[in-house]
Amino acid sequence: AQKITQTQPGMFVQEKEAVTLDCTYDTSDPSYGLFWYKQPSSGEMIFLIYQGSYDQQNATEGRYSLNFQKARKSANLVISASQLGDSAMYFCAMREGDSWGKLQFGAGTQVVVTP
Amino acid sequence: DTGVSQNPRHKITKRGQNVTFRCDPISEHNRLYWYRQTLGQGPEFLTYFQNEAQLEKSRLLSDRFSAERPKGSFSTLEIQRTEQGDSAMYLCASSGVQRGIHEQFFGPGTRLTVL
Repeated sequence: AQKITQTQPGMFVQEKEAVTLDCTYDTSDPSYGLFWYKQPSSGEMIFLIYQGSYDQQNATEGRYSLNFQKARKSANLVISASQLGDSAMYFCAMREGDSWGKLQFGAGTQVVVTP
Repeated sequence: DTGVSQNPRHKITKRGQNVTFRCDPISEHNRLYWYRQTLGQGPEFLTYFQNEAQLEKSRLLSDRFSAERPKGSFSTLEIQRTEQGDSAMYLCASSGVQRGIHEQFFGPGTRLTVL
């Protein structure tokens, strides 16, 4: 069964606008972590933001924020004030249980920022 | 640069040949992970080391695949008798603790093409 679902294969967003990337997850483990990574066309995976299952507040990192709705099992990424350099593939990932364990990734969302 | 490095960056081989990839993690990280990413998909977990011990292997890691981390530093991933379905990007990541997150830092990947 798919553990991480990203339903938006691609999105266009205008420069300076905000964009929300959807991510839902499936786990029965009470302890888990949720990650967002960015993968530009050059291929490297860049860590953006992390939310732990026990964290009470939504995570924020600069222009990135994570809208964590635990009951709905969703962890949407919000990018504010989009920039042309934000054009990339974005992956949601989950780690269950062990803090050092493997990441399970969704299929990704391609974001294109237009002038 | 003290990031994760991978060599070679590109490998083209003929079906049936053996190939070996190398990953050098961030020096203070004792966890090392291998993932495989096919076009248009998120990375899929292959295997994971803590120091020299291989702690987990995915079902994806058939008996043609073998990974080692002999001295707990660099790691190698070997694929024997390559098949066209092995064509993918092979990503290595290492993990340490930053702000309590246990983030995985990814290398640039090795792109394998099997003809």
